[in-house]
Amino acid sequence: QKEVEQNSGPLSVPEGAIASLNCTYSDRGSQSFFWYRQYSGKSPELIMFIYSNGDKEDGRFTAQLNKASQYVSLLIRDSQPSDSATYLCAVGRDDKIIFGKGTRLHILP
Amino acid sequence: DARVTQTPRHKVTEMGQEVTMRCQPILGHNTVFWYRQTMMQGLELLAYFRNRAPLDDSGMPKDRFSAEMPDATLATLKIQPSEPRDSAVYFCASEGGVVPYEQYFGPGTRLTVT
Repeated sequence: QKEVEQNSGPLSVPEGAIASLNCTYSDRGSQSFFWYRQYSGKSPELIMFIYSNGDKEDGRFTAQLNKASQYVSLLIRDSQPSDSATYLCAVGRDDKIIFGKGTRLHILP
Repeated sequence: DARVTQTPRHKVTEMGQEVTMRCQPILGHNTVFWYRQTMMQGLELLAYFRNRAPLDDSGMPKDRFSAEMPDATLATLKIQPSEPRDSAVYFCASEGGVVPYEQYFGPGTRLTVT
């Protein structure tokens, strides 16, 4: 079982709709959870982090964490073409971060 | 503004040659990570340092890869000899801000070994 799993996509979402990205992790000792955005040919950029169960909102982005289910999600409201990118879920434990392989998101104009 | 820098940005070399990649972390950050990214494997951690001391290099092929941090402003990743399967984008990231585990990535070195 991979430590951090994501659907590779592509996930196609119409402009203005809500994009929902999901991630599961295997280690219950994981302490912190991150979403990175990576545009094609660019480096990953941190957009959200969450430590506690529940929701965390920042602008159009909401991160959701359910430790009992070992599940993390990212919601993007009012999706824009500029949101088209690969989204990497990452889990922090033991001084380092383990990344998923990412979900490609395509926002349809 | 503060950012991680990496050189070179692109490198094309022949199999068997030595490759050295350099990274300058954000000033004041005390932890530096080296990652490799390929389509097949995604983002893999190769090695990382804290306060210049190597903490974990279990992700690196030991026979050909080496990572060092000669001072607080420079981290290096060396491949000798290089092989075609080493072709990938190599990222350096630094950490040391307010948010635990928050890493800032450099622009990467795109390595092609022919």
